[in-house]
Amino acid sequence: EAAVTQSPRNKVAVTGGKVTLSCNQTNNHNNMYWYRQDTGHGLRLIHYSYGAGSTEKGDIPDGYKASRPSQENFSLILELATPSQTSVYFCASGDAGANSDYTFGSGTRLLVI
Amino acid sequence: QQKVQQSPESLIVPEGGMASLNCTSSDRNVDYFWWYRQHSGKSPKMLMSIFSNGEKEEGRFTVHLNKASLHTSLHIRDSQPSDSALYLCAAASSGSWQLIFGSGTQLTVMP
Repeated sequence: EAAVTQSPRNKVAVTGGKVTLSCNQTNNHNNMYWYRQDTGHGLRLIHYSYGAGSTEKGDIPDGYKASRPSQENFSLILELATPSQTSVYFCASGDAGANSDYTFGSGTRLLVI
Repeated sequence: QQKVQQSPESLIVPEGGMASLNCTSSDRNVDYFWWYRQHSGKSPKMLMSIFSNGEKEEGRFTVHLNKASLHTSLHIRDSQPSDSALYLCAAASSGSWQLIFGSGTQLTVMP
């Protein structure tokens, strides 16, 4: 079964520290996405990618970088973590198309103290 | 203003009742809509997608789309307590494939 795996599942980071969230997909999907979810905001798009080597800014990219070194892997990097980045982060993958089932990982719960 | 607006924010229906959820995009380039369901503490799972005008039915779930108004609605008949979840609407255009979500509707089905 196609899968999207995120790591770590939980992370506590200190303010000003660097945090890397990882995502691996076995779907061979071209498109990958990073979202954060906070109460009352649904899922907000941070960065996305069309394939290896590509990254695009979503709606809320400030304070985040993304890296897509391969078809399977897509990372989200917080160079200088702040408490406002405390959230649940979801990675998703999918192919372009109306019938695409965008598959989500289980999420990473990040607490910045 | 969010590009994808959902209403209502929360909805309570009795078991066996009909739940109706709404979603509108303010981006005229949007071509496709999806509905996702997210149970508490879990990741979103796709329910249905729609990209043509009209109606699509799968079991107890029916989705409508009006492309002219960029409005879609999800209707759940014979609602069950297990349907209690956050329902998320997503939209994308074939030009960019940015998958944008609304804030969701929190549905509670009372036994």
